[in-house]
This record gives sequence, C-alpha cells and structure tokens, in this order.
Amino acid sequence: QKEVEQDPGPLSVPEGAIVSLNCTYSNSAFQYFMWYRQYSRKGPELLMYTYSSGNKEDGRFTAQVDKSSKYISLFIRDSQPSDSATYLCAMSGGKLIFGQGTELSVKP
Amino acid sequence: EPEVTQTPSHQVTQMGQEVILRCVPISNHLYFYWYRQILGQKVEFLVSFYNNEISEKSEIFDDQFSVERPDGSNFTLKIRSTKLEDSAMYFCASGGLADLYEQYFGPGTRLTVT
Repeated sequence: QKEVEQDPGPLSVPEGAIVSLNCTYSNSAFQYFMWYRQYSRKGPELLMYTYSSGNKEDGRFTAQVDKSSKYISLFIRDSQPSDSATYLCAMSGGKLIFGQGTELSVKP
Repeated sequence: EPEVTQTPSHQVTQMGQEVILRCVPISNHLYFYWYRQILGQKVEFLVSFYNNEISEKSEIFDDQFSVERPDGSNFTLKIRSTKLEDSAMYFCASGGLADLYEQYFGPGTRLTVT
C-alpha cells in the first residue's frame, strides 16, 4: 500500500465552483499535513498546513484532516482560473511524503 | 518576502560528469532539504540537513550524492558521476526552528543528463 495516495485527475471545473481535493494515507504516525500548489515547471508553494485532526481556513481555502479515516481534504471556494495548477498533499514526520498531485483546471 | 533561490535554473551535463546544484535558503532557517521530481512523477525526498550534518537520507541518496553548507548562506547538492536516470527537477527547501514542518521550496534546477 502506498504511503500517500492522491487522484491525479485531471479535474476540470467552471469558474466559481467549489473544488474538493483529497488524499488518503497509510501511516498513522503522520501528525502534520500540508497542501502545496505547483505551477508547471515551478517549485511547490506551501498553501496551508494543519496539525492532527480538524479544520483550518485561510480565505477561500479550507483544509480538513480526519485521522481516524486517514483522509485529508482541501476545499477551494469560488474557484478562479488563477487556481489552475497541480495541488500536492504532503505528510510530515520531518521529511515530506508527497502525493502524486491533482491537476486542476478552472475554466472561465 | 524571503524566498529560497536556486542556481542554475537548467543544467545540461553528460553522463559520468559531476554536477553541483546550488541553493540559498531563507536566511534564518535552520533545516535544509533536497527533493527531486522526475517528469510526471511524485516529488521525492532525498536528504535533510541540520546543524551541519545529514539528519536523514532516502534510499535514492547513495554514495554518488553529497551535500554541503560551505558558508553561512549556501547549500549545495553534488552528484559525483551523473546517470541518465538522474535527469529530474531538483528542489531545495528550508524550514525554520519555529516552523519545522513548514518547508519552503525554491524554484528548482532542471537537470538533464545526456
């Protein structure tokens, strides 16, 4: 079983839609959960991180962690064309373990 | 806003040659990392560095790889004898003491081995 699994997409939504991105993981020792955004041929950009279970909100972005299900989510409200990118989940126990990334396209 | 910088942005080298990839981490950060991303694949951890020594390394980080912090600002990754399969984007990242789990990535160096 892979440590971190993420549907690679691609996911295409109309502008203004709510986007839901998800990852599952297998290692119950993970405590920190990150979401990164990566534009083509650029470095990952940290969007949000959460510790343990619960929700965290930052503007249009909400991160959720459910440790009992080993499931994390990122919601994007009122999606914009500028949100078009690959979204990477990552788990940390020091080093980061990344998911495959979900390619998101927001159409005007 | 402080950021991680990397040079060069693109490096082309022949198989068997040595390459050095350079990074300038965010100035007050204490933890330094190298990751790589082969085209179309996941970002993979290579090595972490703290207090002038390697704190963790992956299976990928074999004897052909080494890291160094030669002065107070630079952090380098050396590949001694490059192979075709070393072709990838190499990302440097840094994290602070208070932000141990927040790692900030540089723009990457695209390494092409021919």
